[in-house]
Amino acid sequence: EDQVTQSPEALRLQEGESSSLNCSYTVSGLRGLFWYRQDPGKGPEFLFTLYSAGEEKEKERLKATLTKKESFLHITAPKPEDSATYLCAALVTGNQFYFGTGTSLTVIP
Amino acid sequence: GAGVSQSPRYKVAKRGQDVALRCDPISGHVSLFWYQQALGQGPEFLTYFQNEAQLDKSGLPSDRFFAERPEGSVSTLKIQRTQQEDSAVYLCASSFTAANEKLFFGSGTQLSVL
Repeated sequence: EDQVTQSPEALRLQEGESSSLNCSYTVSGLRGLFWYRQDPGKGPEFLFTLYSAGEEKEKERLKATLTKKESFLHITAPKPEDSATYLCAALVTGNQFYFGTGTSLTVIP
Repeated sequence: GAGVSQSPRYKVAKRGQDVALRCDPISGHVSLFWYQQALGQGPEFLTYFQNEAQLDKSGLPSDRFFAERPEGSVSTLKIQRTQQEDSAVYLCASSFTAANEKLFFGSGTQLSVL
Protein backbone atom coordinates (compact mmCIF):
# COMPACT_ATOMS: atom_id res chain seq x y z
CA GLU A 1 0.00 0.00 0.00
CA ASP A 2 1.31 3.43 -0.95
CA GLN A 3 2.14 5.40 2.18
CA VAL A 4 3.83 8.64 3.22
CA THR A 5 4.82 9.18 6.85
CA GLN A 6 6.12 12.39 8.38
CA SER A 7 7.94 12.95 11.64
CA PRO A 8 7.87 14.54 14.06
CA GLU A 9 4.18 15.49 14.23
CA ALA A 10 5.07 18.74 15.96
CA LEU A 11 8.33 20.61 16.49
CA ARG A 12 9.07 23.66 18.60
CA LEU A 13 12.31 25.52 17.90
CA GLN A 14 13.93 28.61 19.29
CA GLU A 15 14.62 31.23 16.69
CA GLY A 16 17.96 30.37 15.10
CA GLU A 17 17.87 26.70 16.18
CA SER A 18 18.33 24.58 13.05
CA SER A 19 16.57 21.21 12.62
CA SER A 20 15.25 18.71 10.08
CA LEU A 21 11.84 17.30 9.23
CA ASN A 22 11.53 13.77 7.90
CA CYS A 23 9.29 12.29 5.22
CA SER A 24 9.43 8.52 4.67
CA TYR A 25 7.66 7.06 1.67
CA THR A 26 6.67 3.62 0.48
CA VAL A 27 5.11 3.99 -2.94
CA SER A 28 5.11 2.28 -6.30
CA GLY A 29 6.20 4.30 -9.29
CA LEU A 30 7.45 7.50 -7.64
CA ARG A 31 7.45 10.36 -10.13
CA GLY A 32 8.37 13.11 -7.70
CA LEU A 33 8.50 14.07 -4.04
CA PHE A 34 6.92 17.41 -3.20
CA TRP A 35 7.15 19.69 -0.17
CA TYR A 36 4.40 22.14 0.66
CA ARG A 37 3.91 24.72 3.39
CA GLN A 38 0.44 25.20 4.86
CA ASP A 39 -0.55 28.15 7.02
CA PRO A 40 -3.70 28.00 9.18
CA GLY A 41 -6.85 28.51 7.13
CA LYS A 42 -4.97 28.36 3.84
CA GLY A 43 -4.31 25.78 1.18
CA PRO A 44 -0.86 24.22 0.83
CA GLU A 45 1.75 26.34 -0.95
CA PHE A 46 4.36 24.67 -3.15
CA LEU A 47 7.97 24.72 -1.96
CA PHE A 48 10.04 22.08 -3.79
CA THR A 49 9.94 19.08 -6.11
CA LEU A 50 12.65 16.40 -6.00
CA TYR A 51 12.86 13.74 -8.68
CA SER A 52 15.80 11.47 -7.95
CA ALA A 53 17.90 10.23 -5.04
CA GLY A 54 20.72 12.59 -4.22
CA GLU A 55 18.90 15.64 -5.49
CA GLU A 56 18.87 18.78 -3.31
CA LYS A 57 16.99 22.05 -3.62
CA GLU A 58 17.26 25.24 -1.56
CA LYS A 59 15.12 28.26 -0.94
CA GLU A 60 16.11 30.83 1.65
CA ARG A 61 16.44 28.97 4.98
CA LEU A 62 15.01 25.71 3.60
CA LYS A 63 16.81 22.85 1.91
CA ALA A 64 15.15 19.66 0.73
CA THR A 65 17.00 16.41 0.06
CA LEU A 66 15.90 13.03 -1.28
CA THR A 67 17.07 9.44 -0.82
CA LYS A 68 15.49 6.25 -2.14
CA LYS A 69 13.29 5.92 0.94
CA GLU A 70 12.96 9.34 2.53
CA SER A 71 13.22 13.07 2.14
CA PHE A 72 14.39 15.68 4.60
CA LEU A 73 13.50 19.32 4.91
CA HIS A 74 16.34 21.10 6.65
CA ILE A 75 15.58 24.44 8.26
CA THR A 76 18.61 26.60 8.99
CA ALA A 77 18.39 29.42 11.56
CA PRO A 78 14.58 29.53 11.45
CA LYS A 79 12.58 32.67 12.10
CA PRO A 80 9.08 32.98 13.62
CA GLU A 81 7.63 33.51 10.14
CA ASP A 82 8.72 29.96 9.26
CA SER A 83 6.04 28.67 11.66
CA ALA A 84 3.58 26.58 9.63
CA THR A 85 2.69 22.98 8.86
CA TYR A 86 5.02 21.37 6.35
CA LEU A 87 3.54 18.65 4.16
CA CYS A 88 5.29 16.23 1.89
CA ALA A 89 3.57 14.41 -0.94
CA ALA A 90 4.57 11.62 -3.29
CA LEU A 91 3.40 11.84 -6.89
CA VAL A 92 3.01 8.37 -8.37
CA THR A 93 2.20 7.02 -11.80
CA GLY A 94 -1.48 7.59 -12.47
CA ASN A 95 -1.16 11.23 -11.42
CA GLN A 96 -2.13 10.71 -7.82
CA PHE A 97 -0.50 12.51 -4.90
CA TYR A 98 -0.17 10.82 -1.51
CA PHE A 99 0.24 13.33 1.29
CA GLY A 100 1.73 12.82 4.72
CA THR A 101 -0.02 14.16 7.80
CA GLY A 102 2.44 17.03 8.14
CA THR A 103 4.83 18.45 10.71
CA SER A 104 3.58 21.45 12.64
CA LEU A 105 6.54 23.77 13.19
CA THR A 106 6.53 26.54 15.76
CA VAL A 107 9.49 28.91 15.95
CA ILE A 108 9.67 30.85 19.19
CA PRO A 109 11.25 34.33 19.13
CA GLY B 1 -7.86 35.39 -11.39
CA ALA B 2 -4.45 35.23 -9.81
CA GLY B 3 -5.02 32.01 -7.93
CA VAL B 4 -7.41 29.15 -7.32
CA SER B 5 -10.66 30.45 -5.90
CA GLN B 6 -13.07 28.38 -3.82
CA SER B 7 -16.53 29.24 -2.59
CA PRO B 8 -18.11 29.33 -0.16
CA ARG B 9 -15.29 29.76 2.32
CA TYR B 10 -17.42 28.26 5.09
CA LYS B 11 -20.53 26.13 4.86
CA VAL B 12 -22.72 24.90 7.70
CA ALA B 13 -25.21 22.22 6.75
CA LYS B 14 -27.78 20.26 8.67
CA ARG B 15 -27.42 16.51 8.44
CA GLY B 16 -29.24 15.29 5.36
CA GLN B 17 -28.87 18.51 3.38
CA ASP B 18 -27.23 18.63 -0.04
CA VAL B 19 -24.27 20.97 -0.55
CA ALA B 20 -22.36 22.23 -3.58
CA LEU B 21 -18.78 23.47 -3.37
CA ARG B 22 -17.29 25.50 -6.20
CA CYS B 23 -13.73 25.71 -7.50
CA ASP B 24 -12.42 28.27 -9.99
CA PRO B 25 -8.98 27.06 -11.09
CA ILE B 26 -6.25 29.24 -12.55
CA SER B 27 -7.17 30.11 -16.12
CA GLY B 28 -5.69 27.66 -18.61
CA HIS B 29 -4.89 24.97 -16.08
CA VAL B 30 -5.55 21.54 -17.51
CA SER B 31 -5.67 19.44 -14.36
CA LEU B 32 -7.96 19.86 -11.39
CA PHE B 33 -7.98 17.89 -8.16
CA TRP B 34 -10.30 17.75 -5.16
CA TYR B 35 -8.95 16.79 -1.76
CA GLN B 36 -10.53 16.31 1.66
CA GLN B 37 -8.54 17.44 4.68
CA ALA B 38 -9.63 16.50 8.20
CA LEU B 39 -8.32 18.48 11.14
CA GLY B 40 -4.68 17.69 11.81
CA GLN B 41 -4.39 15.44 8.77
CA GLY B 42 -2.90 15.74 5.33
CA PRO B 43 -5.09 16.20 2.26
CA GLU B 44 -6.69 13.00 1.00
CA PHE B 45 -7.37 12.53 -2.69
CA LEU B 46 -10.98 12.56 -3.85
CA THR B 47 -11.02 12.97 -7.61
CA TYR B 48 -9.04 14.24 -10.62
CA PHE B 49 -10.03 15.94 -13.88
CA GLN B 50 -8.03 16.54 -17.00
CA ASN B 51 -9.96 19.25 -18.81
CA GLU B 52 -13.59 18.09 -18.65
CA ALA B 53 -12.78 14.41 -18.29
CA GLN B 54 -12.93 12.86 -14.85
CA LEU B 55 -9.98 10.47 -15.03
CA ASP B 56 -9.96 9.21 -11.47
CA LYS B 57 -12.72 9.22 -8.87
CA SER B 58 -11.37 6.41 -6.76
CA GLY B 59 -11.09 8.61 -3.67
CA LEU B 60 -14.75 9.61 -3.46
CA PRO B 61 -15.89 8.04 -0.17
CA SER B 62 -19.40 7.12 -1.25
CA ASP B 63 -21.95 7.55 -4.02
CA ARG B 64 -23.21 10.62 -2.14
CA PHE B 65 -20.17 12.47 -3.52
CA PHE B 66 -20.24 13.70 -7.08
CA ALA B 67 -17.92 16.05 -8.97
CA GLU B 68 -18.13 17.67 -12.38
CA ARG B 69 -16.17 20.03 -14.59
CA PRO B 70 -18.43 20.33 -17.65
CA GLU B 71 -16.49 22.94 -19.63
CA GLY B 72 -13.01 22.10 -18.44
CA SER B 73 -12.70 25.11 -16.15
CA VAL B 74 -14.95 25.60 -13.10
CA SER B 75 -15.61 22.48 -11.05
CA THR B 76 -18.31 21.66 -8.54
CA LEU B 77 -18.14 19.05 -5.80
CA LYS B 78 -21.59 18.01 -4.65
CA ILE B 79 -22.36 16.08 -1.51
CA GLN B 80 -25.84 14.67 -1.13
CA ARG B 81 -27.52 13.84 2.16
CA THR B 82 -24.59 15.15 4.20
CA GLN B 83 -23.44 13.22 7.28
CA GLN B 84 -21.40 14.42 10.25
CA GLU B 85 -18.38 12.47 9.04
CA ASP B 86 -18.36 14.68 5.92
CA SER B 87 -17.22 17.63 8.07
CA ALA B 88 -13.78 18.63 6.79
CA VAL B 89 -11.98 21.18 4.66
CA TYR B 90 -12.40 20.51 0.96
CA LEU B 91 -9.43 21.70 -1.06
CA CYS B 92 -9.27 22.24 -4.78
CA ALA B 93 -5.96 22.32 -6.66
CA SER B 94 -5.08 22.92 -10.29
CA SER B 95 -2.03 22.32 -12.43
CA PHE B 96 -0.97 23.86 -15.73
CA THR B 97 -0.18 20.59 -17.47
CA ALA B 98 -1.36 17.01 -17.38
CA ALA B 99 2.00 16.06 -15.92
CA ASN B 100 0.85 17.71 -12.66
CA GLU B 101 4.32 18.78 -11.67
CA LYS B 102 3.13 21.57 -9.39
CA LEU B 103 -0.24 21.98 -7.77
CA PHE B 104 -1.74 25.36 -6.88
CA PHE B 105 -4.25 25.09 -4.06
CA GLY B 106 -7.23 27.19 -3.13
CA SER B 107 -7.90 28.13 0.50
CA GLY B 108 -10.58 25.49 0.77
CA THR B 109 -14.18 25.27 1.88
CA GLN B 110 -14.67 24.36 5.51
CA LEU B 111 -17.78 22.21 5.74
CA SER B 112 -19.45 21.64 9.10
CA VAL B 113 -22.36 19.21 9.24
CA LEU B 114 -24.50 19.55 12.36
